[in-house]
Amino acid sequence: DTEVTQTPKHLVMGMTNKKSLKCEQHMGHRAMYWYKQKAKKPPELMFVYSYEKLSINESVPSRFSPECPNSSLLNLHLHALQPEDSALYLCASSTRLGGTGELFFGEGSRLTVL
Amino acid sequence: AQTVTQSQPEMSVQEAETVTLSCTYDTSESDYYLFWYKQPPSRQMILVIRQEAYKQQNATENRFSVNFQKAAKSFSLKISDSQLGDAAMYFCAYRRLIAGGTSYGKLTFGQGTILTVHP
Repeated sequence: DTEVTQTPKHLVMGMTNKKSLKCEQHMGHRAMYWYKQKAKKPPELMFVYSYEKLSINESVPSRFSPECPNSSLLNLHLHALQPEDSALYLCASSTRLGGTGELFFGEGSRLTVL
Repeated sequence: AQTVTQSQPEMSVQEAETVTLSCTYDTSESDYYLFWYKQPPSRQMILVIRQEAYKQQNATENRFSVNFQKAAKSFSLKISDSQLGDAAMYFCAYRRLIAGGTSYGKLTFGQGTILTVHP
């Protein structure tokens, strides 16, 4: 059973649409991450939140807008995306930004941009 | 910056046999964590095993074990008694331990190795 829950599992959107991806964890973790993954490639880090504050932004285009409303939730707002943004979007969490421990991943949201 | 290299894009193994996946990394730090993650076609990234750099003893987790060579910056994964359910893409990953800097908290992945298990 995954302890990081992502919704929706699949999303198809047009280039003019606005949609959001949602991630939730109830493990008391204080660091949360968004990764983008293309087929047969490693995940690429997009954003990191630590204690609900944006800690790392890997120069992601502004058409991706992250939000961390509380310690359990992480959203990724999508607007005016391009077909090349089609990918698997993975959310992850860890106890905190540094120190011990691994990242726990959700099952991902498969995004297709038409 | 830290880099992780997996030199085997694909590997295959017969069921019940043993296979070793290779990983090397580059870092100037002395304290860090290394991980092997498994990603089956169901796509969820699952932790297989982790190794703390300050520990000399190699980590083991049931049929999975690592050979950690800190001086050589090598971190290979051995899967014993391979099972069909082991088929997946395996990623080696590095995470720094010391706070500060732009790479703080990041998990740096290798390019991955696709493992096929033949019945």
